Amino acid sequence: DQQVKQNSPSLSVQEGRISILNCDYTNSMFDYFLWYKKYPAEGPTFLISISSIKDKNEDGRFTVFLNKSAKHLSLHIVPSQPGDSAVYFCAANFGNEKLTFGTGTRLTIIP
Amino acid sequence: DAGITQSPRHKVTETGTPVTLRCHQTENHRYMYWYRQDPGHGLRLIHYSYGVKDTDKGEVSDGYSVSRSKTEDFLLTLESATSSQTSVYFCAISPGGNTGELFFGEGSRLTVL
Repeated sequence: DQQVKQNSPSLSVQEGRISILNCDYTNSMFDYFLWYKKYPAEGPTFLISISSIKDKNEDGRFTVFLNKSAKHLSLHIVPSQPGDSAVYFCAANFGNEKLTFGTGTRLTIIP
Repeated sequence: DAGITQSPRHKVTETGTPVTLRCHQTENHRYMYWYRQDPGHGLRLIHYSYGVKDTDKGEVSDGYSVSRSKTEDFLLTLESATSSQTSVYFCAISPGGNTGELFFGEGSRLTVL
């Protein structure tokens, strides 16, 4: 069963606008959610995380929102830049030293 | 950047042959992981290690074995490669605790013909 779901395989956004990537989960027993960014032919790199006791975390152009009642989190990128074009994965840390990843969303920023 | 090296970076092999992928770290992190990335499946955990000689299965462990005889090295072995094991394999490391952040290597692309 897919505990972490990213239902949008792809997303295209105009440069300078807001990109919103979504992630849903089924298991509420998590400690953290993390977002990773992946360029072609490279390994995933950590972007931002959010604790289960928070509902928002911000780092520069990146903000993650957590809605525990809806079991949903989202990553906002404002403003979007061409270098943001990549695949984004959300991942859950259920407190067992392992990360469970979603299937990823390919973000394309249109100049 | 975390010191993680995967080898080989690319490999083409035939069905039924054994394959070993190596992950080497210079960070002295306790935890090491092998994930595979496939279209439509994201990153799925194959095996992980929580110390020298201490390993456990992930969600897609069938057909794979691992070994960790030293802190710095984590080997993934396909005893008899099948076409379904064609994938990109990523090694990751973690010191443990806190957010659970993993640091990934650059990946090993394996093609099984």
